[in-house]
Amino acid sequence: AQSVSQHNHHVILSEAASLELGCNYSYGGTVNLFWYVQYPGQHLQLLLKYFSGDPLVKGIKGFEAEFIKSKFSFNLRKPSVQWSDTAEYFCAVSLSGNTGKLIFGQGTTLQVKP
Amino acid sequence: GAVVSQHPSRVICKSGTSVKIECRSLDFQATTMFWYRQFPKQSLMLMATSNEGSKATYEQGVEKDKFLINHASLTLSTLTVTSAHPEDSSFYICSASPRANYGYTFGSGTRLTVV
Repeated sequence: AQSVSQHNHHVILSEAASLELGCNYSYGGTVNLFWYVQYPGQHLQLLLKYFSGDPLVKGIKGFEAEFIKSKFSFNLRKPSVQWSDTAEYFCAVSLSGNTGKLIFGQGTTLQVKP
Repeated sequence: GAVVSQHPSRVICKSGTSVKIECRSLDFQATTMFWYRQFPKQSLMLMATSNEGSKATYEQGVEKDKFLINHASLTLSTLTVTSAHPEDSSFYICSASPRANYGYTFGSGTRLTVV
């Protein structure tokens, strides 16, 4: 069965530190990839997505992610985090052609200390 | 654009009663909507795919008679939790996409507590 794995469950950083959250998926076919963020008390918001083309994807709020097909990875990065980035981050995968059925990773809680 | 509205945001019901949750696409039409369930400190699990004008498609292990889904129009899908039990207490979230390659917009979720 397809699965998505996020390696870091809880990350604590100081402001201005760099961030990288790992995401790996298990599926040999074509996939669409997403990162969602859930701020405390709020609903899921799309940070960025990859469907095709340039494997380096830039999203909102200074986030970016790189799709490395050979590694089945889609890691999320931000060069300098802010306290307001404190949130839960979810990586998700949908199988190409099977639109809408998102498989989510376990989520990573990011805590940024001011 | 691509706003999904979910109502109610919180509901408390007694064990044995039924609860209906609404999911609306406000500025687009959605022939397909998706219902997820999120347990505390866990990820989202897809429960079912709601198809406008036809039966919903349920994921393995999800009881279709307990979680009734109706997608009567292009902008509204409802999830009814029938004969609710405390173990049904959870956070239910719907999502939809306005078009291919757009991504999926999520509703704000419904916190269901069964007492």
